Amino acid sequence: DAGVIQSPRHEVTEMGQEVTLRCKPISGHNSLFWYRQTMMRGLELLIYFNNNVPIDDSGMPEDRFSAKMPNASFSTLKIQPSEPRDSAVYFCASRRTGIQYSPLHFGNGTRLTVT
Amino acid sequence: GESVGLHLPTLSVQEGDNSIINCAYSNSASDYFIWYKQESGKGPQFIIDIRSNMDKRQGQRVTVLLNKTVKHLSLQIAATQPGDSAVYFCAETGGSNFGNEKLTFGTGTRLTIIP
Repeated sequence: DAGVIQSPRHEVTEMGQEVTLRCKPISGHNSLFWYRQTMMRGLELLIYFNNNVPIDDSGMPEDRFSAKMPNASFSTLKIQPSEPRDSAVYFCASRRTGIQYSPLHFGNGTRLTVT
Repeated sequence: GESVGLHLPTLSVQEGDNSIINCAYSNSASDYFIWYKQESGKGPQFIIDIRSNMDKRQGQRVTVLLNKTVKHLSLQIAATQPGDSAVYFCAETGGSNFGNEKLTFGTGTRLTIIP
């Protein structure tokens, strides 16, 4: 089991640039979640998908943020244009739907720094 | 409850001793609870879960206790080891038939094992 795979592990970019974060969920998991973690706000849910369809994007902070899931094995989170306040660790997580009580499994995150 | 990461509670325990980490939740409708461990530079890692129809569940060196009356959850770690040093999060959710529920994370507790 390879776990949830995220790339890149670290991203440093300048304000105004476009940033794309990538995630490969665990095979067989068809719910995918994007979280953001900061010291001030802890873990925040940004958006989640079920069977590649966005279910709830109420946590997406602004229109600058967008997420896609073109197939069951890949998702992206894009920030355009990026701002310094977007600096955080972004986690992707997945779980198996159809099983009522199953935990989320997290990747190791992408640490984003916007200067 | 909502996660507000302004201040992380800390707990220091001598190696070999037992530790107890506590968590209060606010949603009386929550029926599934999970403990995660997060080491530096990594994503939250699933430790143990419990459903609301149980009040205790044991794993390897870990025990989760659930008190629904006072909406309190605890994680007991027996015979602590240096590798147990991490931030521990509780998470709660109201279950749904298709597993689309969102997790609400606690603020986390930093556990330090003293050699």
